[in-house]
Amino acid sequence: EVQLVESGGGLVQPGGSLRLSCAASGFSFSTYWMSWVRQAPGKGLEWVANIKQDGSEKYNVDSVKGRFTISRDNAKNSLYLQMNSLRAEDTAVYYCAREVRPSKGGSWYGDWGQGTLVTVST
Amino acid sequence: QSALTQPPSASGSPGQSVTISCTGTSSDVGDYDYVSWYQQHPGKAPKLMIYEVSKRPSGVPDRFSGSKSGNTASLTVSGLQAEDEADYYCSSYAGSNNLGVVFGGGTKLTVL
Repeated sequence: EVQLVESGGGLVQPGGSLRLSCAASGFSFSTYWMSWVRQAPGKGLEWVANIKQDGSEKYNVDSVKGRFTISRDNAKNSLYLQMNSLRAEDTAVYYCAREVRPSKGGSWYGDWGQGTLVTVST
Repeated sequence: QSALTQPPSASGSPGQSVTISCTGTSSDVGDYDYVSWYQQHPGKAPKLMIYEVSKRPSGVPDRFSGSKSGNTASLTVSGLQAEDEADYYCSSYAGSNNLGVVFGGGTKLTVL
């Protein structure tokens, strides 16, 4: 059974930093792209960042460029999101997701964690 | 990238069928057969229901089906059951220059 367990969320002041972690099990972590997807309170889903199997390619949405960094440790089956210079609009539940990217093309999220809440407020 | 357009709400009675639309552009939905649909119950994580427009992951009831015509994809839930009441989100691959996916705004499905 695939399990993705996020941790590291919490209350942080504007301009502060947080590091989210995602512990993966039940699948071959090193063979999948991984993503972070967020959901602001009462709002829809938004892709935040993703990373290739070996960490050689990383991408993120324009609104977090220069502030958020995605990384992974395949030896520990773990995914991370370092979030700096946090803003009120970053307040959301952050989900770790196993991304399915067939060689022919396409992308979707096969499994999701339960999410961790990040609140940016004074 | 712009979000895909979904109706904010949909409803149907138990046993009926309901269809939720998802409209994109010729750069995403219209250009690729990589539309997926996610179900999300309140306070829970999203769950993949449909991928590649019409394929169901193992364990998803065949009451759920997907289709696409032009720039619009659709999710149909047949034989509505109370447990189908949830939010549904569509998403589409938007090409190799856009490494994430684009999501729709979500549709709240109510079983009357």
